[in-house]
Amino acid sequence: GPKVLQIPSHQIIDMGQMVTLNCDPVSNHLYFYWYKQILGQQMEFLVNFYNGKVMEKSKLFKDQFSVERPDGSYFTLKIQPTALEDSAVYFCASSFGGFTEVFFGKGTRLTVV
Amino acid sequence: GDSVTQKQGQVTLSEDDFLFINCTYSTTTYPTLLWYVQYLGQGPQLLLKVTTANNKGISRGFEATYDKGTTSFHLQKASVQESDSAVYFCALARNNNAGAKLTFGGGTRLTVRP
Repeated sequence: GPKVLQIPSHQIIDMGQMVTLNCDPVSNHLYFYWYKQILGQQMEFLVNFYNGKVMEKSKLFKDQFSVERPDGSYFTLKIQPTALEDSAVYFCASSFGGFTEVFFGKGTRLTVV
Repeated sequence: GDSVTQKQGQVTLSEDDFLFINCTYSTTTYPTLLWYVQYLGQGPQLLLKVTTANNKGISRGFEATYDKGTTSFHLQKASVQESDSAVYFCALARNNNAGAKLTFGGGTRLTVRP
């Protein structure tokens, strides 16, 4: 089936540094999403992105977070600066439309030390 | 806002046992309710979708329905196999032209013993 690829699978970063998580969504999809899952907790919506714009974000999407997809390349989540509470697994997802199936990647485990 | 509660964190069964996992939800909209399955080392993938109360979603031997009166929805399978071992998430979807927003339960880790 359609694949969402996330690179890298695991990243360790020093607190205060910048990190960029990369996502290669399904090729013809138009809607892109990030979800966050802290160990032992529910997966939670962070943001959705369409037509070059953030359409909706949750209160977890702090000012230090930003997303972009320049020229149809990777869909990225940047955190600058990182904090210890940003340690989690971040799942990227995409869908063709707002009403169609959402496909998830395998996640990137971010560890902030 | 939307919320989903999935109380069974772990379920251990033997092959051919009956599986039943239940979730409750809260929303002010007409919900689409989903079940996602996550196998080890993979991302979550859609297993079933139910858009109308009391209708049944069926896929790969799994069935799901939701009850608007009790705001609950459940996943069941008559006879589980070892290959069904995975984490199962219930989710509530709010869809519009701005995109899909999924609210997930905490997940149920199913272990099926041979």
